[in-house]
Amino acid sequence: EAGVAQSPRYKIIEKRQSVAFWCNPISGHATLYWYQQILGQGPKLLIQFQNNGVVDDSQLPKDRFSAERLKGVDSTLKIQPAKLEDSAVYLCASSVSPSYEQYFGPGTRLTVT
Amino acid sequence: DQQVKQNSPSLSVQEGRISILNCDYTNSMFDYFLWYKKYPAEGPTFLISISSIKDKNEDGRFTVFLNKSAKHLSLHIVPSQPGDSAVYFCAASITFNKFYFGSGTKLNVKP
Repeated sequence: EAGVAQSPRYKIIEKRQSVAFWCNPISGHATLYWYQQILGQGPKLLIQFQNNGVVDDSQLPKDRFSAERLKGVDSTLKIQPAKLEDSAVYLCASSVSPSYEQYFGPGTRLTVT
Repeated sequence: DQQVKQNSPSLSVQEGRISILNCDYTNSMFDYFLWYKKYPAEGPTFLISISSIKDKNEDGRFTVFLNKSAKHLSLHIVPSQPGDSAVYFCAASITFNKFYFGSGTKLNVKP
């Protein structure tokens, strides 16, 4: 079974630029999560989708971050405009249903200069 | 507001001995607790979990203990192996719709 795929793996941008991350969850997984992990900290949940609906986005900075999950499969996370403090690893995870058995992708390391 | 805390950034243990990783939380609404293991350049991998109605869950060499009155949980690895060297994250959930992670403990198991 293929795991959670994310791209790109690395991205370097300047502040105020825009960036987008892509996630392809495990086939059949209805729940998709985006996390932000800043160096030295644990992952912080940004948004949780159930199929293509948002379950929780209470920690998503909505003035600059947006996410969508069209057709309940792939998802994109966008930052516009980026700030220095957005430098982090962005992790995507999926699960069959809202449960603790989340499967994580390898992450996208974003550096904002 | 850090609701899940891992106060030990690192732990070094000799192979064959017990590793004990600790985690504290503040929110009494948490009803599931989880441990994830993370190797460099990979995403976290689910290791073991425990419901708030239990005080112990065991899976092979891994045992998680929950002390609700102290809002504390711990992960015991016995015996520790060099392949267990990784970063371990404690996480807590409220009805699987909100997840909070600790900052991680880096375990080094020396041969």
